[in-house]
Amino acid sequence: QKEVEQNSGPLSVPEGAIASLNCTYSDRGSQSFFWYRQYSGKSPELIMFIYSNGDKEDGRFTAQLNKASQYVSLLIRDSQPSDSATYLCAVRRGTVNTNAGKSTFGDGTTLTVKP
Amino acid sequence: DAGVIQSPRHEVTEMGQEVTLRCKPISGHNSLFWYRQTMMRGLELLIYFNNNVPIDDSGMPEDRFSAKMPNASFSTLKIQPSEPRDSAVYFCASSLASTGTDTQYFGPGTRLTVL
Repeated sequence: QKEVEQNSGPLSVPEGAIASLNCTYSDRGSQSFFWYRQYSGKSPELIMFIYSNGDKEDGRFTAQLNKASQYVSLLIRDSQPSDSATYLCAVRRGTVNTNAGKSTFGDGTTLTVKP
Repeated sequence: DAGVIQSPRHEVTEMGQEVTLRCKPISGHNSLFWYRQTMMRGLELLIYFNNNVPIDDSGMPEDRFSAKMPNASFSTLKIQPSEPRDSAVYFCASSLASTGTDTQYFGPGTRLTVL
């Protein structure tokens, strides 16, 4: 079993719809959770991070964390063609106040938003 | 800010040759990460440094790989001898641990092809 699992996709949604991306992790000691976006041929860029159970909203993006279920998700509202990319989930044992530590990445979910 | 700088951007070499990849982290960042990305294995952490000291090199595939960080503004990843299975995109990333957000900023990557 991989430490961080994501559906590889591709996930296809129409423009304006809600895209839902899911991630599960195996290490119960994980404390920090990150969503990166990677356009084809480019490097990953952080779009959201979450540490506490519940929802965290940033513009059209909402991250949801459920530590009991070892599950983290990313919702993209009003999806745009420019959101078409691969979304990587990353998990880290370290907490907010510890030094930067090892992040384990999932293989990513490819999202296509059709005009 | 120039961001994370990597060189070369592309490298084509023959099996058995030595390859050196270079990285300049964002000024002021105290953590540096080397990743490798392939279609088969996704994004893998090879090694990371904190304050120029290697903290976790468990992802380094074998003795053919070595990494150094002689100062806060420069790091190298060396492969000697290179093999075709080393072909991948190698990313360097840096972060400032004390911010608590652990935002890793990725460089543009080096696309390595070993023939």
